[in-house]
Amino acid sequence: GESVGLHLPTLSVQEGDNSIINCAYSNSASDYFIWYKQESGKGPQFIIDIRSNMDKRQGQRVTVLLNKTVKHLSLQIAATQPGDSAVYFCAEKDSGYSTLTFGKGTMLLVSP
Amino acid sequence: DGGITQSPKYLFRKEGQNVTLSCEQNLNHDAMYWYRQDPGQGLRLIYYSQIVNDFQKGDIAEGYSVSREKKESFPLTVTSAQKNPTAFYLCASRRDLLTDTQYFGPGTRLTVL
Repeated sequence: GESVGLHLPTLSVQEGDNSIINCAYSNSASDYFIWYKQESGKGPQFIIDIRSNMDKRQGQRVTVLLNKTVKHLSLQIAATQPGDSAVYFCAEKDSGYSTLTFGKGTMLLVSP
Repeated sequence: DGGITQSPKYLFRKEGQNVTLSCEQNLNHDAMYWYRQDPGQGLRLIYYSQIVNDFQKGDIAEGYSVSREKKESFPLTVTSAQKNPTAFYLCASRRDLLTDTQYFGPGTRLTVL
C-alpha cells in the first residue's frame, strides 16, 4: 500500500487509552477545520469538522477542540481501538477561498 | 468512498507518455478536486473545478491538465512535462458552495517506469 506514513510524527497508544492528536495552524483567517483518517493505500475518510465560531464538537468517540487564541486544533479519540491505527490529517480553509490546506499528518499506532 | 470512484487503482507509465486518471462521482456534487500525495507530505492541490466547464489551477498545476465536461466526471491528465509524476493521486468532491466538506475517492497510484 501507499507509504503515506513515512517520516511522520507518530503517536503510540494502548488499546482502550484515549488518544489526542494535535495540529497547529497559522492562518488567522481560517474559518473551517476538518479531520481525516487515512489507512494505508486508501483515500482519506472524513471524521469530523468544526467552524471557527465553535470551540468544541463531538462525534461518536471523537471530539475536536479548537483554540483560536493559539491557533491550535486537536482530535481526541476515546477508547482507542486497533482499527483506529492510521494517519490522521487536519485541514483548514481560509474564509476567502474554497480550497483546503492540509497538514502533513500524524500516524496513530494502537497496540492490542 | 461515498460514491466517488477512481480508476485504475494502480497505473504504470513509461517516461514521456501522457496518462489520464479517471474520477467519477454520483453524489451530484458541484465541485471536484485533484490532489497529489507523496510519502510524509500533506496533500497538495493540483486542479479544482466548482462548476461544469470551469476549473482553476491549484498549487502544483504544472505538468497536469483537466477537463470538466460533465458534472460527474473530472479526469486528470499527467503529461510528459510533469518531471516527477510518481505519486498517489486523490480525487475529492464537495456538494456546493454553501458547504466545505470534501469527500475523497480511493486514489490511484501512478508509477513511472
